[in-house]
Amino acid sequence: DTAVSQTPKYLVTQMGNDKSIKCEQNLGHDTMYWYKQDSKKFLKIMFSYNNKELIINETVPNRFSPKSPDKAHLNLHINSLELGDSAVYFCASSQVTGVTGELFFGEGSRLTVL
Amino acid sequence: GENVEQHPSTLSVQEGDSAVIKCTYSDSASNYFPWYKQELGKRPQLIIDIRSNVGEKKDQRIAVTLNKTAKHFSLHITETQPEDSAVYFCAATAAGNKLTFGGGTRVLVKP
Repeated sequence: DTAVSQTPKYLVTQMGNDKSIKCEQNLGHDTMYWYKQDSKKFLKIMFSYNNKELIINETVPNRFSPKSPDKAHLNLHINSLELGDSAVYFCASSQVTGVTGELFFGEGSRLTVL
Repeated sequence: GENVEQHPSTLSVQEGDSAVIKCTYSDSASNYFPWYKQELGKRPQLIIDIRSNVGEKKDQRIAVTLNKTAKHFSLHITETQPEDSAVYFCAATAAGNKLTFGGGTRVLVKP
């Protein structure tokens, strides 16, 4: 009964490859997010979708492309992976737009680029 | 945009002592201030939050205070226990805007 689930949990790949991370939430929330947590534990928002519509798009290389097929799913595709993309990527959801309520995080997907 | 500074970056306390983490924010329009706890290898989870119409909030051994004039807020953990060891993040947001996190504080409670 995981509220926010993301797959895969671990991803090891070579530079230049393309990879995807999938996220699903069963909380009925309207808003979903991707956060990146680097090796120093800093949490930085990348994207936010509200009911399939992109509402936050931070300064992220265009190699990163989010896609929300419906409000329960938000996927992240990364092209031409670079060493600096190595991080833990967290999906999250919240009930209200504008994040004045609790963020529910997934377990994270640890991406290692070799 | 919002900028959130968090101090200290690491905090080591003896079991039973108190721990205090402080954050400052830049956007005077911010009105929601949550705190998240992230245990090693786990996801961040909300432990307490405060809104701008409240100066202090308490939940068992944790409390948060907010000073809107000075634009700073703090997390207080009393009677610390080994299970309080984790990374704690403060955050701030104004309605309709994204949540901005502080840099995190790694708390170690020594038995």
